[in-house]
Amino acid sequence: DQQVKQNSPSLSVQEGRISILNCDYTNSMFDYFLWYKKYPAEGPTFLISISSIKDKNEDGRFTVFLNKSAKHLSLHIVPSQPGDSAVYFCAAQRLSGNTPLVFGKGTRLSVIA
Amino acid sequence: GAVVSQHPSRVICKSGTSVKIECRSLDFQATTMFWYRQFPKQSLMLMATSNEGSKATYEQGVEKDKFLINHASLTLSTLTVTSAHPEDSSFYICSARDPRTGGNGYTFGSGTRLTVV
Repeated sequence: DQQVKQNSPSLSVQEGRISILNCDYTNSMFDYFLWYKKYPAEGPTFLISISSIKDKNEDGRFTVFLNKSAKHLSLHIVPSQPGDSAVYFCAAQRLSGNTPLVFGKGTRLSVIA
Repeated sequence: GAVVSQHPSRVICKSGTSVKIECRSLDFQATTMFWYRQFPKQSLMLMATSNEGSKATYEQGVEKDKFLINHASLTLSTLTVTSAHPEDSSFYICSARDPRTGGNGYTFGSGTRLTVV
């Protein structure tokens, strides 16, 4: 039972355009959401996060939007750069206690120059 | 920021042997560390939660006698894959949360690529 779903395994975007990566979750107890970027044979690196009390968080070129009623979040990257090419994982957690992250399957983003 | 060091980064072992993977928090103390496993083109699947000074908590379907976890200090957790088989070949990643930060304080190690031949 996949609690965090990333239904697009891959996405190709032209350099300079916007990349939109989507994520859905099923567990209404999740109250914190994160996006990680991962290169092959490396551990994930944290990108941006959002608390369930917010609907938007922005950090430079990265913006995460949260729609709680739809249990949906998205990561926007604008403008996209070739260096953004990687696998992006959506993760969710319950902030109470030291709970682990639950990950989606990831979306491979390719930014074409 | 918080740094988690994982060693080795790659290991090749023969079937039937055991392999130990170390995960260290370098600049913070972690009472809890998490071990994940990733198959090709798959998600990071939580294997177990490692608790300092007590037994690890394993996820359903993960054999605790095969994947031994020891969290003997506040900065070190080890995962030992015992009697390894080719199907254990995978990418193993640990993570820890720096208690000084908020919900985004999870830092990941660089991962260990295990190949069992």
